[in-house]
Amino acid sequence: GQQLNQSPQSMFIQEGEDVSMNCTSSSIFNTWLWYKQDPGEGPVLLIALYKAGELTSNGRLTAQFGITRKDSFLNISASIPSDVGIYFCAGQLRDNYGQNFVFGPGTRLSVLP
Amino acid sequence: GAVVSQHPSWVICKSGTSVKIECRSLDFQATTMFWYRQFPKQSLMLMATSNEGSKATYEQGVEKDKFLINHASLTLSTLTVTSAHPEDSSFYICSARRIRTGYTFGSGTRLTVV
Repeated sequence: GQQLNQSPQSMFIQEGEDVSMNCTSSSIFNTWLWYKQDPGEGPVLLIALYKAGELTSNGRLTAQFGITRKDSFLNISASIPSDVGIYFCAGQLRDNYGQNFVFGPGTRLSVLP
Repeated sequence: GAVVSQHPSWVICKSGTSVKIECRSLDFQATTMFWYRQFPKQSLMLMATSNEGSKATYEQGVEKDKFLINHASLTLSTLTVTSAHPEDSSFYICSARRIRTGYTFGSGTRLTVV
């Protein structure tokens, strides 16, 4: 089946630093989603991308839908302690009511004060 | 909008007993809901797709008789872990899909079987 790769798997950064993570696949996706999961909680949607090349921001977060439609990246600027968590990307192959979102394995972010 | 409520948030049960987890879409109707399982430091693993008014669709390797899913209304899906064993201890998360906004997830249920 389709698989998503996320890199890095984990990262430790200093508070205030910028963060960049990406998601790649061998398949073409129509939609890319980025979620954040805090410990013991369900994932929360951060950004949704619907068009190749689309660049969308949500506060300090910026995500882009790759031109090839096989990748996406998420940037976090000026990281703060509450940015700690696991960031998942998800790609959708087609728009129907079935289960067609594929989730990446996640990037675990730690922010050092 | 697009709020999904999951209950309970945590539960401890004895081996051999059954546990029911509820997933409700609070402000929208969800004909389809999804149940995931997540082990520590792992990604989400889809267990089954819950369809309102019909049988759930289970992923390969997930036991239908052990993880009973009922989607009796457009706002409620339940997952029942039957005859629970310690290896069933995990974090269970439900989600519901809204068009163009992807999945909205519940807050998860941490199950511990002792």
